[in-house]
Amino acid sequence: GENVEQHPSTLSVQEGDSAVIKCTYSDSASNYFPWYKQELGKRPQLIIDIRSNVGEKKDQRIAVTLNKTAKHFSLHITETQPEDSAVYFCAANGEDSNYQLIWGAGTKLIIKP
Amino acid sequence: SAVISQKPSRDICQRGTSLTIQCQVDSQVTMMFWYRQQPGQSLTLIATANQGSEATYESGFVIDKFPISRPNLTFSTLTVSNMSPEDSSIYLCSVVWGGAGNTIYFGEGSWLTVV
Repeated sequence: GENVEQHPSTLSVQEGDSAVIKCTYSDSASNYFPWYKQELGKRPQLIIDIRSNVGEKKDQRIAVTLNKTAKHFSLHITETQPEDSAVYFCAANGEDSNYQLIWGAGTKLIIKP
Repeated sequence: SAVISQKPSRDICQRGTSLTIQCQVDSQVTMMFWYRQQPGQSLTLIATANQGSEATYESGFVIDKFPISRPNLTFSTLTVSNMSPEDSSIYLCSVVWGGAGNTIYFGEGSWLTVV
């Protein structure tokens, strides 16, 4: 079946350094790839998304890259800050629906002061 | 984005009882979903709440355990029936919002602990 693999499961970086989280997906028909941030005790919040007609998208310190040939996409956070500490989830839409997402397992990002 | 409110935000429930979670959206939305997030885990789709008809359940979830109502385009309920400790999870309502489509937003979540 369709699946999304996410790595690493935990990532610890020094404050100010960059963090990269990678996801691969199995369904070549997927064309929508959002990233969500979930702080402890809170709901997942959409932080950035990319659609298959672009290869990269940036929003201030956050960027997402997409490689459709290899079926992988990555989240890049530069100049990390303590408030970036959270669990990050990637997702891809399934073949049956544009609106039903297949989720990665999540990455716990720890920013060390 | 739409404002999505859930009630209750948190509850402790006795084994064998049932609890109904409400989801209210401040605008009409076509697509509404219910997710479960078990402790330390990713999100799992329970069902799509269909307005005016029976919900569409994902594999592993059944109507008898998780009955869903969607009487209109702004409101839905999820009931967790005959609860056991394994049902201790966050339950999240989500909607598709935005002209571009595909953008999914979540409600505040309902944290349930079954004792």
